[in-house]
Amino acid sequence: QVQLVQSGAEVKKPGSSVKVSCKASGDTSSSYAISWVRQAPGQGLEWMGRIIPIVGTPKYAQNFQGRVTLTADKSTNTAYMELSSLRSEDTGVYFCARLLFDSSGYYLNWGQGTLVTVSS
Amino acid sequence: SYVLTQPPSVSVAPGKTARVTCGGDKIITKSVHWYQQKPGQAPVLVVHDDSDRPSGIPERFSGSNSGNTATLTISSVEAGDEADYYCQVWDSSRDHPVFGGGTKLTVL
Repeated sequence: QVQLVQSGAEVKKPGSSVKVSCKASGDTSSSYAISWVRQAPGQGLEWMGRIIPIVGTPKYAQNFQGRVTLTADKSTNTAYMELSSLRSEDTGVYFCARLLFDSSGYYLNWGQGTLVTVSS
Repeated sequence: SYVLTQPPSVSVAPGKTARVTCGGDKIITKSVHWYQQKPGQAPVLVVHDDSDRPSGIPERFSGSNSGNTATLTISSVEAGDEADYYCQVWDSSRDHPVFGGGTKLTVL
């Protein structure tokens, strides 16, 4: 079984950046991508982008293009999501989730979520 | 882009059957996945590929897909099933997932 463990809660000022980590442990031998999903307070799930850790290739959702940067360190099985130019509307819980290449596009494994609060 | 439409809320009495729908254009041509999310927790996959259950998910959870509507069915509903439920498909034209807006299931 695979576990995804995310970094802790963050409080940031508007205009600053935040970087959240997601470390995979367990059976990580399969080819997979890590997606990042945001959930604003009381709202639904919003896909932000994904990265394929073994090659480091990111793909970004249009809504976040230019503000989000996804990276991965394959030596430590850790993925990172950095969001810049933060505004109050970026407050929410950020999840990482694992997508297996040989699946039809579903997420079996999720991180526990990282609460990011943007406030002056 | 592809849009999935869910009812905001569904209510059901304990022991009865709950049905949560997910509408999308020709959704029958896509594989539909369902997640359960309880307050303060990460989503949990309960059904994938329209009707398959991951290991550990009770048989009370089932799914179907037809025409323009996919349905998550929860039989013999328990208080612990109260949660938000999200449907999800893969938009192959844009190579990214699409989530429905979510349905809050209330157990009366």
